[in-house]
Amino acid sequence: QVRLVESGGGVVRPGRSLRLPCAASGFAFSSYAMHWVRQAPGKGLEWVALISYEGSDKYYADSVKGRFTISRDNSKNTLYLQMNSLRAEDTAVYYCARGGDHRYFDYWGQGTLVTVSS
Amino acid sequence: EIVLTQSPATLSLSPGERATLSCRASQSVSAYLAWYQQKPGQAPRLLIYDASNRATDIPARFSGSGSGTDFTLTISSLEPEDFVVYYCQQRSNWPWTFGQGTKVEIK
Repeated sequence: QVRLVESGGGVVRPGRSLRLPCAASGFAFSSYAMHWVRQAPGKGLEWVALISYEGSDKYYADSVKGRFTISRDNSKNTLYLQMNSLRAEDTAVYYCARGGDHRYFDYWGQGTLVTVSS
Repeated sequence: EIVLTQSPATLSLSPGERATLSCRASQSVSAYLAWYQQKPGQAPRLLIYDASNRATDIPARFSGSGSGTDFTLTISSLEPEDFVVYYCQQRSNWPWTFGQGTKVEIK
């Protein structure tokens, strides 16, 4: 079955960096676009970034453009989110999600909490 | 950026009743709209894609309709596990955006 497992979350000071991996299994990872979506505590969902199946195309929300980088290693079935210059408003649960056959988020990981605080 | 406005923010109903949730887009998204369900402490789950198509393993009591700027998610007869939060999402224009959510609560 499809499984997505995020890790790497934790408490980080403003201005610092963090990298989130998402390990994928149970499907042909290299055939699917992948996304990061976040949810601030008690708030709604915010799409963060997309990477195409082969990694050549990337899109970002304006709120993270220039600070966050999405990447993938298809040989390791792993998606990444490199987060630099973190701000308090980046505090959220970060989910990786598969862009399914109809391009929506059809499978999600359990999420990893990132807290940006001094 | 396309803004999706969901209404009502909270819907108070009883088990067995019909739920009608609305999502309005600030400009046309054609039929490129999805609905997700999120239970407390869990990731969202895809319910409906392209406005009216049920995702895999989604019960028939969930249905979606609409196109352009006005969309509806209908739950024909509420089960106890349906009293959670629902989000709409568009993929017509970048950036992809979500509505702010509708909470369905037990009356």
